[in-house]
Amino acid sequence: NAGVMQNPRHLVRRRGQEARLRCSPMKGHSHVYWYRQLPEEGLKFMVYLQKENIIDESGMPKERFSAEFPKEGPSILRIQQVVRGDSAAYFCASSPKPGWGSNQPQHFGDGTRLSIL
Amino acid sequence: DAKTTQPPSMDCAEGRAANLPCNHSTISGNEYVYWYRQIHSQGPQYIIHGLKNNETNEMASLIITEDRKSSTLILPHATLRDTAVYYCTSLVSSGSARQLTFGSGTQLTVLP
Repeated sequence: NAGVMQNPRHLVRRRGQEARLRCSPMKGHSHVYWYRQLPEEGLKFMVYLQKENIIDESGMPKERFSAEFPKEGPSILRIQQVVRGDSAAYFCASSPKPGWGSNQPQHFGDGTRLSIL
Repeated sequence: DAKTTQPPSMDCAEGRAANLPCNHSTISGNEYVYWYRQIHSQGPQYIIHGLKNNETNEMASLIITEDRKSSTLILPHATLRDTAVYYCTSLVSSGSARQLTFGSGTQLTVLP
């Protein structure tokens, strides 16, 4: 499967624990995007990263949430001290490096469904 | 990014063409129109995108009006597996802002 891989598909945490969501982009893609989808709502942008660099984190909550995309390995979305309101589907997308004036679509993984008990 | 408006739901008979409209009256000159769909419990699937000209690929056709204020996604021969929520969104072709903005989309139901 050459698509965007996310794991785990389902994650259950108790309030106060940490959640780590992983995303491996498509082969040849160097840019990663994280989105969150609350129940019965559309996807909301969270953060845009390239290797070792955060490009745009305007959609990230100011506290408890962080993201990284290291030189080696998958991108990680980390949620510390989870609360019930963090229950959602978290989707990762990837694209090649955007070129000036060109548009490469973002391709999405099948998400991680996070449930907070 | 432009605000997009779509009807909340549509039905289509199997084998017929499904025409899904989208209004994006505030779109700017360098914003592309993108279409995705989401089948329950899966991630959004890219369908097609365009800037000014009409586009066609193996999945669908995209018709963009000359003033670029609206577009229509056409699934030429809808099947039951095309039942999904279809999202119209836009993305600027330059700069560091690369976020797609998803509205509520159109729930397309293909009827047997």
